[in-house]
Amino acid sequence: GDQVEQSPSALSLHEGTGSALRCNFTTTMRAVQWFRKNSRGSLINLFYLASGTKENGRLKSAFDSKERYSTLHIRDAQLEDSGTYFCAAENMGYKLTFGTGTSLLVDP
Amino acid sequence: AQTIHQWPVAEIKAVGSPLSLGCTIKGKSSPNLYWYWQATGGTLQQLFYSITVGQVESVVQLNLSASRPKDDQFILSTEKLLLSHSGFYLCAWSPDRGNSDYTFGSGTRLLVI
Repeated sequence: GDQVEQSPSALSLHEGTGSALRCNFTTTMRAVQWFRKNSRGSLINLFYLASGTKENGRLKSAFDSKERYSTLHIRDAQLEDSGTYFCAAENMGYKLTFGTGTSLLVDP
Repeated sequence: AQTIHQWPVAEIKAVGSPLSLGCTIKGKSSPNLYWYWQATGGTLQQLFYSITVGQVESVVQLNLSASRPKDDQFILSTEKLLLSHSGFYLCAWSPDRGNSDYTFGSGTRLLVI
């Protein structure tokens, strides 16, 4: 079946620095979403992309369906960015498959 | 603006007892509706989806059932809970199958003892 490989599983950043999360897909996906897990365990939308890139504040996401990957870039990381981030990709049959998550810790 | 409401927030239930979880979406007609489940330490799995009233498709068999009695309501239920049903249940909606911009509810945490 479809697989979504998310990396890294854990990431530690100093405040003010940046990095990227990545999701690789084993099949062609029609769209990707990035979420952040809130304190209750539910998912907050960060980005939805059917192609190209989107930017929102210090976050930027890209999706390349042909190359089968998506990235989430965080720049100028702040303490409040700490949390768990998930990508989820929808295949051509409209099934959404989640990555295993990235636990981000931003320290002073 | 669309809102999604899930209930209850949390449940502790005995093995063999019935379960009913609810989800309503306001502000959007004919949404696509979904139930997801995450076992402790596991990844989110899609359980059911529905594109219209009265029509529900099963994605993963977990001895659960789902129904869509109204356009804005999605119910997840079982008559007999198993220990393996414990976990976190999320309801979600998307505008349509051509636009998979999912919005998730706040979730229900279920512990079966």
